[in-house]
Amino acid sequence: GQQVMQIPQYQHVQEGEDFTTYCNSSTTLSNIQWYKQRPGGHPVFLIQLVKSGEVKKQKRLTFQFGEAKKNSSLHITATQTTDVGTYFCAGPNSGGSNYKLTFGKGTLLTVNP
Amino acid sequence: DTEVTQTPKHLVMGMTNKKSLKCEQHMGHRAMYWYKQKAKKPPELMFVYSYEKLSINESVPSRFSPECPNSSLLNLHLHALQPEDSALYLCASSQTPGSSLWGAFGSGTRLTVV
Repeated sequence: GQQVMQIPQYQHVQEGEDFTTYCNSSTTLSNIQWYKQRPGGHPVFLIQLVKSGEVKKQKRLTFQFGEAKKNSSLHITATQTTDVGTYFCAGPNSGGSNYKLTFGKGTLLTVNP
Repeated sequence: DTEVTQTPKHLVMGMTNKKSLKCEQHMGHRAMYWYKQKAKKPPELMFVYSYEKLSINESVPSRFSPECPNSSLLNLHLHALQPEDSALYLCASSQTPGSSLWGAFGSGTRLTVV
């Protein structure tokens, strides 16, 4: 079945440093979504990427979708303590339907002030 | 704040109890989902309702029984649960089943089975 691999599993940074998490799918994705979950919280939808090679920015966050639509990344510039949480990527199942999302295992980001 | 409302936020129940989790959305979304999330793990899909009909059951044990009374409401009835069922239960919705743009997760119900 479809697998979505996400690395690293953990990342600890000093405040102000950059952070990147990577997501790779075993199959081509029709789209990829990113979520953030604060400790003790629930997943919050950040963005969806649809087009090959797409790059989207949200303030200090930059999201990329690979040309082959099998990989994606989330980059945070100059991390802040408010960035702490687990970042998940998720892609629809191989049928292309968003009925079922396959989530990566997530990257837990901690930020030292 | 999320536009998908879940109640209760926390629930402690015994293994012989019957309880229900509730989810409500007023965005006009026609697909609703139940996910289960264990600590330090990603959400796992349990059920999908499409236009108020159950369309996907991810081989969930029968002690979990979903119900969709109308297009805005989704319930999850719990009976004879096990301690390993303790988890965060998340409801989510999307505009239409299979729509390319996702909706939102509710804030979840933290369930503890004792």
